[in-house]
Amino acid sequence: GAGVSQSPSNKVTEKGKDVELRCDPISGHTALYWYRQRLGQGLEFLIYFQGNSAPDKSGLPSDRFSAERTGESVSTLTIQRTQQEDSAVYLCASSRRTGAHEQYFGPGTRLTVT
Amino acid sequence: AQSVTQLDSQVPVFEEAPVELRCNYSSSVSVYLFWYVQYPNQGLQLLLKYLSGSTLVESINGFEAEFNKSQTSFHLRKPSVHISDTAEYFCAVSPPNAGGTSYGKLTFGQGTILTVHP
Repeated sequence: GAGVSQSPSNKVTEKGKDVELRCDPISGHTALYWYRQRLGQGLEFLIYFQGNSAPDKSGLPSDRFSAERTGESVSTLTIQRTQQEDSAVYLCASSRRTGAHEQYFGPGTRLTVT
Repeated sequence: AQSVTQLDSQVPVFEEAPVELRCNYSSSVSVYLFWYVQYPNQGLQLLLKYLSGSTLVESINGFEAEFNKSQTSFHLRKPSVHISDTAEYFCAVSPPNAGGTSYGKLTFGQGTILTVHP
């Protein structure tokens, strides 16, 4: 079946503009995660959705970052007033159910803020 | 809180040589341990995981990792590498189930780029 998809694959934006990144999880996966990977660094957890529970936003670096997910479907990560330090690859992952520990990752969105 | 340290950012080896990619973690609670691999121009894929039981876990392509609780390590090894093993490898940890719910938030190391030369 189809894996996790993300769009766009690349995004170049000017400092101060807002961007929206999209993630389509694998159908039936109840858990969805967003991570960020800056150049030369490991992945940083941003936010976690599990079904209809309140999301864990503890990894969001500032109030310029927000994310939404409707039910168990698509999620969008929005970055307002982008800064150059927001440049990174943003990765989305989903997992099948509560208790499952294999996360399936999308190909990522490479964001460049000029 | 957990943290993961991958001691080598880059590991160059020749084909058919053995390799070890090192991973150490820090946590105040027990953790689950993972190795993910990212091949060029592809997404992250789970390579192997330790949840419980035997401390030695293996992948289908010949990699193995051993959980060493006393040394808080989960080093990845392969006795003979192939060109196709060239990739970036990430060690990660997550907290175990708690209170009947599972929370699979992963904490990653910085990654090790394995380059296999002919």
